[in-house]
This record gives sequence, C-alpha cells and structure tokens, in this order.
Amino acid sequence: AQKITQTQPGMFVQEKEAVTLDCTYDTSDPSYGLFWYKQPSSGEMIFLIYQGSYDQQNATEGRYSLNFQKARKSANLVISASQLGDSAMYFCAMRYGNKLVFGAGTILRVKS
Amino acid sequence: ETGVTQTPRHLVMGMTNKKSLKCEQHLGHNAMYWYKQSAKKPLELMFVYNFKEQTENNSVPSRFSPECPNSSHLFLHLHTLQPEDSALYLCASSQASGTGELFFGEGSRLTVL
Repeated sequence: AQKITQTQPGMFVQEKEAVTLDCTYDTSDPSYGLFWYKQPSSGEMIFLIYQGSYDQQNATEGRYSLNFQKARKSANLVISASQLGDSAMYFCAMRYGNKLVFGAGTILRVKS
Repeated sequence: ETGVTQTPRHLVMGMTNKKSLKCEQHLGHNAMYWYKQSAKKPLELMFVYNFKEQTENNSVPSRFSPECPNSSHLFLHLHTLQPEDSALYLCASSQASGTGELFFGEGSRLTVL
C-alpha cells in the first residue's frame, strides 16, 4: 500500500535561514508523482513543487527545492532564505493513478 | 476568479439537518475530489470523480452523498451528521490522467452541533 511519512510534527527556523522538511514514501508502483503543499491558517492548500518518479533532476521552484533520493524513497523539501510568511503547515503527498495520498504534515514556524 | 471555488466557506448544522457543500472548478479539469481534514489527522480522501463518474469511495458513511452533474461541479450532500464529522472539507480538481498536481479550493469548514 502507498504511504507517506513525515516524521517532524513541528520545526522552527530563523528568518533568512534554510530549512529541510523530511518526507519518505512507500510504493511499488514505478510511476508516481511527489508533491509538497503549503497550508496557511486560512485553510487553502497551496501547491509548491512537484517531482515525477522518472525525473532525473531535482525539482526547483524559486526558494523551494525538492531533494529527491529515489533509492531511499525520500523527497525532502528545502526552503531557502526563510521568510515570516513561510510559517504554515506543510504536507508531502504522492499521486498514483487518480489518488493523492498525504502525509501527516509538519508545522513550520519562522522566527524573526 | 480562483480556479477552484467552494461554498459555503463556513457551515454550522444540527445533526438532523440536511445541507450541501458546493465545489466549482474553472480549470478545464476532468477529475474532482473531496477530502476531509480533521484536527490532528492527515487529509483523508473521500471520493474521486473522473469524467462525472465516481471512481473512488474510500469507505465513506452513507450520510455523505456526493454528486457530480458535470466535470466542473461537485457537491457533497450532508444528512444526519455526527459531531465527529466536524472538519474542513476540501475540494480539488486535476486532469484525470498522469501524475500532475491537484488544485484545491479554500475549503468548507463544517461544524456539527
């Protein structure tokens, strides 16, 4: 069965520093997509970054990058130069077929 | 106009009430989803529709009844709910095939008294 694990319930980071949010996944399907979403207190799920299982290079989107290690089945999110507005819940998710399965999430707090 | 719109944003209902949540997407997608987000729990997939046909029902109680009249609209009809059904209900849409991202609405926060 497909499963997403986020082991960090909460993280703190100093403003302007980088932070890594961990995500591991489990699947036997060779074709899948990995995603990170941000959920601020308003509730909306905001798409951040995507990595396909066949992609050779790590995905990057502005200050977000995904450290994809296929053999270890990990897809960690790196946020560089943290900003106060980055404080939110972050979810790792995996899509296979028409299902998107989410991890439990990590609450990130950026300190000034 | 946002891609995925959910109404109402907040809903309070008694256990004997009947209400509906509405979702509309303007992205030309052909798959739509309902997710439930309870406090301190991961998002739970409830239903998936592809080209108006239900393709996934994740063992959801019958007091939740989805309806997808076309690829742009999705409803969740609520009847005789329990207090533990209080949660944020998120609608999403995507292309039916491939591994692309889901686009989410802002959610409907439901409180059952």
